[in-house]
Amino acid sequence: AQSVAQPEDQVNVAEGNPLTVKCTYSVSGNPYLFWYVQYPNRGLQFLLKYITGDNLVKGSYGFEAEFNKSQTSFHLKKPSALVSDSALYFCAVRDAVGRRGYQKVTFGTGTKLQVIP
Amino acid sequence: DAGVTQSPTHLIKTRGQQVTLRCSPKSGHDTVSWYQQALGQGPQFIFQYYEEEERQRGNFPDRFSGHQFPNYSSELNVNALLLGDSALYLCASSSGTGSGANVLTFGAGSRLTVL
Repeated sequence: AQSVAQPEDQVNVAEGNPLTVKCTYSVSGNPYLFWYVQYPNRGLQFLLKYITGDNLVKGSYGFEAEFNKSQTSFHLKKPSALVSDSALYFCAVRDAVGRRGYQKVTFGTGTKLQVIP
Repeated sequence: DAGVTQSPTHLIKTRGQQVTLRCSPKSGHDTVSWYQQALGQGPQFIFQYYEEEERQRGNFPDRFSGHQFPNYSSELNVNALLLGDSALYLCASSSGTGSGANVLTFGAGSRLTVL
């Protein structure tokens, strides 16, 4: 079974400082990894993904994430946080092998990011 | 380009009743997944539909059922509602081709309250 762990319920960071939101995963084969963001009473919005290739992935709004296979981690990072980055962030994983219709994506419990002005 | 649309946005039901939630996928997407998100929790996978069939299912009882139509739209049905079914129900669509392959596009959700 595949799973995702987000060890921090909340991360507080001052505006302008770098931020990191942690994620570790477990999957039987090669992983497809994702980060999504959720604003209050809204659905999830895609930020970035790792499928294959370069371990450093760049995404929307200046976010990036680093895939580390040996540590089974996929931490989300941003060099300089904005107050508007305050939201709920979800890490997600999928087994790369699944054929169409069998591509269950498993989400973590989420990390609330609070950027302090 | 319209994204994923869900209806209704909010609804209130009583225990024992039945509910149907609807979802229209993003244009060009042919796969629909449904998730349940309880307050303060991450989305939990209910099932995935592809080619009008339920292909994969999460750990949800048979009270949860669905359907996918030829135009790829989908419905989620929940029978014999329990208080614990109160949650935000999210529909997500995806495609196996193109630059957005493997990415889920979510709707804004249907907020179900069971009294």
